[in-house]
Amino acid sequence: NAGVMQNPRHLVRRRGQEARLRCSPMKGHSHVYWYRQLPEEGLKFMVYLQKENIIDESGMPKERFSAEFPKEGPSILRIQQVVRGDSAAYFCASSPFSSGNTIYFGEGSWLTVV
Amino acid sequence: DAKTTQPNSMESNEEEPVHLPCNHSTISGTDYIHWYRQLPSQGPEYVIHGLTSNVNNRMASLAIAEDRKSSTLILHRATLRDAAVYYCILMNYGGSQGNLIFGKGTKLSVKP
Repeated sequence: NAGVMQNPRHLVRRRGQEARLRCSPMKGHSHVYWYRQLPEEGLKFMVYLQKENIIDESGMPKERFSAEFPKEGPSILRIQQVVRGDSAAYFCASSPFSSGNTIYFGEGSWLTVV
Repeated sequence: DAKTTQPNSMESNEEEPVHLPCNHSTISGTDYIHWYRQLPSQGPEYVIHGLTSNVNNRMASLAIAEDRKSSTLILHRATLRDAAVYYCILMNYGGSQGNLIFGKGTKLSVKP
């Protein structure tokens, strides 16, 4: 059973460009979570999605960041007009239900903004 | 989710047991205790979880205090591969569990 798949693993973007990070949850999982880990810091929750719905986006920056989880295909975390401060590791996680289940994380996508 | 407190770092020798403590004095009745670990440049990996009783799996054991205000993750024989940051997290099964609060965790070093 494949785990949570994230791509790309490493992404370099120039300031002002857009970054798109993709996440395919584990088979049978319909709940997806995105976390960000800045250098030398702990993981911070960003957003929680079910298919076609955003359930909790309390951790998302108000501007430039958006997330979706369409009916078909992977979840996408989109960062527009990237700045150096967006350089971080972005982790996706998934679970089969909204509560009462362990969350499983992917290997992460490392974004570097130059 | 309630807050947890862990030591910043611990050291162990290879092949010896390791006891990683976690305090969670404000835990509520519906909070499960979850442990994750994060190896360098990797995503968090689930280790174990429990509610009231002690738990064992192939990776570790979890000892939970009777009052549930603290718990201990036990690695029975540390290996070099166990060097990681270990996070103790409370997960409330009564509500949306997406917003996990990761503290700084305990950085475990294993010496050969």
